[in-house]
Amino acid sequence: QKEVEQDPGPLSVPEGAIVSLNCTYSNSAFQYFMWYRQYSRKGPELLMYTYSSGNKEDGRFTAQVDKSSKYISLFIRDSQPSDSATYLCAPQAAGNKLTFGGGTRVLVKP
Amino acid sequence: NAGVTQTPKFQVLKTGQSMTLQCAQDMNHNSMYWYRQDPGMGLRLIYYSASEGTTDKGEVPNGYNVSRLNKREFSLRLESAAPSQTSVYFCAIEQGLGQPQHFGDGTRLSIL
Repeated sequence: QKEVEQDPGPLSVPEGAIVSLNCTYSNSAFQYFMWYRQYSRKGPELLMYTYSSGNKEDGRFTAQVDKSSKYISLFIRDSQPSDSATYLCAPQAAGNKLTFGGGTRVLVKP
Repeated sequence: NAGVTQTPKFQVLKTGQSMTLQCAQDMNHNSMYWYRQDPGMGLRLIYYSASEGTTDKGEVPNGYNVSRLNKREFSLRLESAAPSQTSVYFCAIEQGLGQPQHFGDGTRLSIL
């Protein structure tokens, strides 16, 4: 079993819909939780960065962390075609290296 | 991506050839990383350098060597390329553990 699991998708939604992405993980030592967005033929870019449990909102993006369930979520409101990309979750334990999920491919159709 | 430059962007090699992938940063970050990305496998850490003069193995180091030339540069070398090393290679930098990583745009390597 992988340490971080993500559904590979693709997740196809119409423009304007809410996109819901999630990760599950097994390491209870993870304290930092990041979401990266990766466009085709580009490197991952940091989208959201949260510490411990709770919610964080940044514009159309909301990240949620439930450490008791070892469950991480990313929501994209009012999705746009430019949101079409692969989304990678990456939790991290203190003093340790990032662990990446396999990524979920998202397609937002006009 | 701003701050991390990888060269070359594309390369085709024959089995057994050697190759060095270059990574340079202009953000003065301490840590540098090399990952490979394969379909369905996500990003897997090959080697990393927590600071100038130090390097450590990651999850998949076999067949690779690295060199942290100075604070700016971190190179990845394939001494004898194998088809299983066909992948997209990403360099990343990090100010310190627990801080977000910033990635280059990758080197696409095909080994025939």
